[in-house]
Amino acid sequence: AQTVTQSQPEMSVQEAETVTLSCTYDTSESDYYLFWYKQPPSRQMILVIRQEAYKQQNATENRFSVNFQKAAKSFSLKISDSQLGDAAMYFCAYHDGNQFYFGTGTSLTVIP
Amino acid sequence: DAGVTQSPTHLIKTRGQQVTLRCSPKSGHDTVSWYQQALGQGPQFIFQYYEEEERQRGNFPDRFSGHQFPNYSSELNVNALLLGDSALYLCASSFGFRTDTQYFGPGTRLTVL
Repeated sequence: AQTVTQSQPEMSVQEAETVTLSCTYDTSESDYYLFWYKQPPSRQMILVIRQEAYKQQNATENRFSVNFQKAAKSFSLKISDSQLGDAAMYFCAYHDGNQFYFGTGTSLTVIP
Repeated sequence: DAGVTQSPTHLIKTRGQQVTLRCSPKSGHDTVSWYQQALGQGPQFIFQYYEEEERQRGNFPDRFSGHQFPNYSSELNVNALLLGDSALYLCASSFGFRTDTQYFGPGTRLTVL
């Protein structure tokens, strides 16, 4: 079964600094998709970034980028120039073409 | 363009009761997936509906059932509620059932007393 592990329950970062959130996953598949979702107190899951496993190039969306290491089954999220609005729960997720598998989340605090 | 909407926002039930949650997909979407998010956990996949049929199902008991209507909206029904069913229930919509691009609604918070 596919599993997604986020080993950092909580992280904090100073405003304008950079923070990296870790994620590892377990799968025997070669083709899949990886995601980072943000869930603010409003509860709505917001897509931050998406990575296709067959693409070697790391995905980037403005201040958000990933470090995708397929052999190591690692998918970390880097947030640059952190802003107060980045404070939220961040979930790493794996999609096998049929359904999502989510990690347990990392709560990010941004310190002014 | 309305996004995914869910109703009600909050719900309180007692053990043994039955509950129905509702979801309207984003305009143009035809597939609805349901997730259960317990406190402090990530969402867990319950099932997915496409063309009014259940296409995929996660590891949830038969007490959890659903329905999709011709207008693509969906209901999640939970029978014989247990305390452990207390959670945030998220609905996500997409175009086509074998796609990773899903848009989530704001969820329904269910409390079972």
